[in-house]
Amino acid sequence: GENVGLHLPTLSVQEGDNSIINCAYSNSASDYFIWYKQESGKGPQFIIDIRSNMDKRQGQRVTVLLNKTVKHLSLQIAATQPGDSAVYFCAENMNTGNQFYFGTGTSLTVIP
Amino acid sequence: ETGVTQSPTHLIKTRGQQVTLRCSSQSGHNTVSWYQQALGQGPQFIFQYYREEENGRGNFPPRFSGLQFPNYSSELNVNALELDDSALYLCASTEPPGQGGDGYTFGSGTRLTVV
Repeated sequence: GENVGLHLPTLSVQEGDNSIINCAYSNSASDYFIWYKQESGKGPQFIIDIRSNMDKRQGQRVTVLLNKTVKHLSLQIAATQPGDSAVYFCAENMNTGNQFYFGTGTSLTVIP
Repeated sequence: ETGVTQSPTHLIKTRGQQVTLRCSSQSGHNTVSWYQQALGQGPQFIFQYYREEENGRGNFPPRFSGLQFPNYSSELNVNALELDDSALYLCASTEPPGQGGDGYTFGSGTRLTVV
């Protein structure tokens, strides 16, 4: 199936703290995952991706962890800043390259 | 290098009418995908176009149709509009299907309101 769900619909963190956003997926055939950030009035913006042959990938201030055993994905944001406030989506791709299945999203609010 | 541009940005239509939304893909990208994003939800895949042909379709009725032109730009057409069609319509471009890397590049979308 196409169930890509997020554990928490909202998350509030203090500026400077680390944020962790979680995502569960149901299809073990999924082999490619992307985290997107969507600010109000804008389209989703690519943050970081990971393939199923990896369990961790790091970018600038962000880390994605993939646990295929429990079909869980997480996005860690280090030293969260007010500009990180947005809705975050995980999306999975099931080997066709044609479409991504998105979760509902987690709204992150950074408190100054 | 330009990004993905969509037009119009906002649109109000009456139930039963038809609408055409337009998308110009990012330079170098020859694949265009369309998504519908209802308020408070994640985007849902409508269809994808590659080499001017439909290359995959989500769970949307036939009144949702599309075109891709030789310059890779694309149109989304929706006939017989229903109130539930009110949503943000997103266009995303990428290199040939199956390419990874940065995945899709999304436009800012067209906000369609059906009254």
